[in-house]
Amino acid sequence: EVQLVESGGGLVQPGGSLRLSCAASGFTFRNYNMNWVRQAPGKGLEWVSYISGASNVIYYADSVKGRFTVSRDNAKNSLYLQMNSLRDEDTALYYCARDCGFGYAIDYWGQGTQVTVSS
Amino acid sequence: QSALTQPASVSGSPGQSITISCTGTSSDVGGYNYVSWYQQHPGKAPKLMIYEVSNRPSGVSNRFSGSKSGNTASLTISGLQAEDEADYYCTSYTSSSTFVFGGGTKLTVL
Repeated sequence: EVQLVESGGGLVQPGGSLRLSCAASGFTFRNYNMNWVRQAPGKGLEWVSYISGASNVIYYADSVKGRFTVSRDNAKNSLYLQMNSLRDEDTALYYCARDCGFGYAIDYWGQGTQVTVSS
Repeated sequence: QSALTQPASVSGSPGQSITISCTGTSSDVGGYNYVSWYQQHPGKAPKLMIYEVSNRPSGVSNRFSGSKSGNTASLTISGLQAEDEADYYCTSYTSSSTFVFGGGTKLTVL
């Protein structure tokens, strides 16, 4: 069974940093591209970042470019999101999500980890 | 990276069909067949319903179908059921090598 379990969320002050982690199991992690997608309270989905299986292709949304860094450790079946210079508008539930390999669609999502940026 | 345009809400009675539109530009929806649709129930993670414009993943009811014409993609749900009531989001790959979601559509089954 495919499982994606996020961790690392919490309350942080504006300008602060957090590192999110996603532990993957139930599939050959290195063979799949991965995404981070977020959802602000009561709002819609917003794509944040994409990383290929070999980490050689990385994309970011304009809203986080230069502040967030995505990475992965295939030996540990783990995905990460380093978030720096956090802003109020980064407050959201952050989902780790697996690319199914067809048309960049996402076939599995974690349950999310909450990030709250507030003074 | 402007969000794709979806109607804020649609509604229908059980057994009816509804269509949710998703309008973008030639740089996203119109330029690629990389449009996906997701269903999200309150408090739950999204679920993939359609990928590559019109393909259904295994396990998704054939009451769900997708299509595209020009810069507008559409999700049609036929034979509406109470459990279809949820939020629906479209997404597309873009020419900037990013991905953009629609603002979401709340489906109410009357």
